[in-house]
Amino acid sequence: EVRLLESGGGLVQPGGSQRLSCAASGFTFSSCAMSWVRQTPGKGLEWVSGITGSGGNPYYAGSVKGRFTISRDNSKDTLYLQMNSLRAEDTAVYYCAKGLGLGRFNELDYWGQGTLVTVSS
Amino acid sequence: QSVLTQPPSVSAAPGQKVTISCSGSSSNIGNNYVSWYQQLPGTAPKLVIYDNNKRPSGIPDRFSGSKSATSATLGITGLQTGDEADYYCGTWDSSLSAVLFGGGTKLTVL
Repeated sequence: EVRLLESGGGLVQPGGSQRLSCAASGFTFSSCAMSWVRQTPGKGLEWVSGITGSGGNPYYAGSVKGRFTISRDNSKDTLYLQMNSLRAEDTAVYYCAKGLGLGRFNELDYWGQGTLVTVSS
Repeated sequence: QSVLTQPPSVSAAPGQKVTISCSGSSSNIGNNYVSWYQQLPGTAPKLVIYDNNKRPSGIPDRFSGSKSATSATLGITGLQTGDEADYYCGTWDSSLSAVLFGGGTKLTVL
C-alpha cells in the first residue's frame, strides 16, 4: 500500500524558515517524480515544486522560486521542502504527492494527508 | 486568477450527466497532457483522469476525459451524491516549466 506521510508543519514567523518532510512507502521511491502542492484553506490547489526520480531536476512555481528548495533522499525514501523567507501568503496545507513515473509531475496518483504551515507573527 | 479557466460551479440531478470544462493555451493544454482530480470535502485530492482520457485503477468508467486544442473536458455520467466534490484540471506549462491547476469547479448533485 502506498503511503505518504508529511511532517514539519506548524506556526512560523514572517521571514522565517521551515522544513517539511514526506516519508514514502509502498512503492519504488526512486522511480517516481515527487511534488509538493499547497492549498490555502477554502481555496484551490497550487503546485509548488517537483523533482525527478533521480533528484537531478527540480522545478518550482514562480511564487516560490528562489525561496523554496525541494530535495529527496532516495536512500531514506523521503522528500523534503526547505522553505525560507516565508510570507503570510505561504500559509497553506502542504501536500506531498507521487507522480506516475520518473518525470511525471502532472499525474499525481497518490497524495499525503497534508501538513498545515501557518506564517504569522 | 488561474491560467487554466474552469467554471466555479456546476450542478445536475442524480443519474444525469455533467461536464466540466478547462480552458488554457498552447503553452499548456495545447501541447501537454491533462489530468483531473476529485477533492471530497476534508480530504486530499484524488486522480480520476490522466493523459487526457485515461482512468487510474479503481476509477469507474462513469468518469471520462477529452481534449481538443487548448481545452479539456471532464465528463461524469450516472451522477451519484458521492460525486459531490471539487474538481480540478491540471497540466504542465512548457513556458513556465511548472504544473498549473485550474481554479476548481464545485459539483453539486441536486
